Amino acid sequence: AQTVTQSQPEMSVQEAETVTLSCTYDTSESDYYLFWYKQPPSRQMILVIRQEAYKQQNATENRFSVNFQKAAKSFSLKISDSQLGDAAMYFCAYGYSGAGSYQLTFGKGTKLSVIP
Amino acid sequence: AAGVIQSPRHLIKEKRETATLKCYPIPRHDTVYWYQQGPGQDPQFLISFYEKMQSDKGSIPDRFSAQQFSDYHSELNMSSLELGDSALYFCASSLFGTGGVYGYTFGSGTRLTVV
Repeated sequence: AQTVTQSQPEMSVQEAETVTLSCTYDTSESDYYLFWYKQPPSRQMILVIRQEAYKQQNATENRFSVNFQKAAKSFSLKISDSQLGDAAMYFCAYGYSGAGSYQLTFGKGTKLSVIP
Repeated sequence: AAGVIQSPRHLIKEKRETATLKCYPIPRHDTVYWYQQGPGQDPQFLISFYEKMQSDKGSIPDRFSAQQFSDYHSELNMSSLELGDSALYFCASSLFGTGGVYGYTFGSGTRLTVV
């Protein structure tokens, strides 16, 4: 069974600074997808960034980028120029399809606080 | 753009009662997923449907059942409710086979409180 581990229950960052959230996972599959979801106090699950395992190039979305190390099964999220609106719970998730339906396995989450 | 619509937003039920949660996927999305997120917990996959057929099953209790209708909306039926069923229930949708490529779109969730 796949597992996702986020070792940092809470993190804080100064506004405009950079922060990195860690995520490791365990799988025996070679083709899968990885995601970072943001859950603000509104509880909405918002997709931040995704990475296909077969792509070596790290994904980027504006201020958000990942460091994907497939051999190490590591998938960290870097947030640059942190903003107050980035404060939220961040979940790392692993997705794999055996038959077209992508079941996601989530980590326990990292609560990010942004200090003005 | 249209999003995933879940109703109701909030629901309060007593123990042993029945609850029905509804999910309306993004237009043209044919796959629906249900997740349960307990207080302070990560979302747990319950079940998914494609073209009205169950496509995958996770940790869904036997007291729960779900189905997808011809218009692709889905309903999660929960019977003999227990206090431990209090949680946020998310629905998500995607086009079949693309959930990994594009990621899901989640609804805003239904908060169920069992008293």
